Amino acid sequence: QQQVKQSPQSLIVQKGGISIINCAYENTAFDYFPWYQQFPGKGPALLIAIRPDVSEKKEGRFTISFNKSAKQFSLHIMDSQPGDSATYFCAASLGGNEKLTFGTGTRLTIIP
Amino acid sequence: GAGVSQSPRYKVAKRGQDVALRCDPISGHVSLFWYQQALGQGPEFLTYFQNEAQLDKSGLPSDRFFAERPEGSVSTLKIQRTQQEDSAVYLCASSLAGTALNTEAFFGQGTRLTVV
Repeated sequence: QQQVKQSPQSLIVQKGGISIINCAYENTAFDYFPWYQQFPGKGPALLIAIRPDVSEKKEGRFTISFNKSAKQFSLHIMDSQPGDSATYFCAASLGGNEKLTFGTGTRLTIIP
Repeated sequence: GAGVSQSPRYKVAKRGQDVALRCDPISGHVSLFWYQQALGQGPEFLTYFQNEAQLDKSGLPSDRFFAERPEGSVSTLKIQRTQQEDSAVYLCASSLAGTALNTEAFFGQGTRLTVV
């Protein structure tokens, strides 16, 4: 049972553009929604996270938008740079970092 | 060490062989997690320790998988009688405190297991 659905599978964005990755979840009990960035050969690294009591969280060029009624959340990367090229995973959990349920990942490529 | 350390980085096992994967968490981290990441997929939860106590092992796919953390620091994930479907990257993560405090989980680089 895939509890967190992520799209698109891959994304190509021009340098300076906005990258948008979407996720939808099924379990309404989830209350912690992090995004992870993973480079080849490395483990995932936490990028930004949100709880459902807010609809948006911004950290630098990265913003999470959260829609509780639609059970959807998205990652926006502003002014995308070649160094942002990586695989991005959304995730969800109950209460915190325990037992994260990950999406299937989005391979992002930023082209000059 | 500066981060979560996993060894070996790569392991090739013949089908039926037993393997042991090691995780050295960040010093002082209470919580430790194991995840399995198949090629092109997101990580999937296997098991969770708080200190030496294994609080959740619901993600272990079969009784061939066993994890331990006897002294509340280093953890070992053991897979007995490996099968080809066990081929994946095994990720270990640790966090400073219990989950109620919602602290960041830091991942290691993983062990890539290939069963031939």
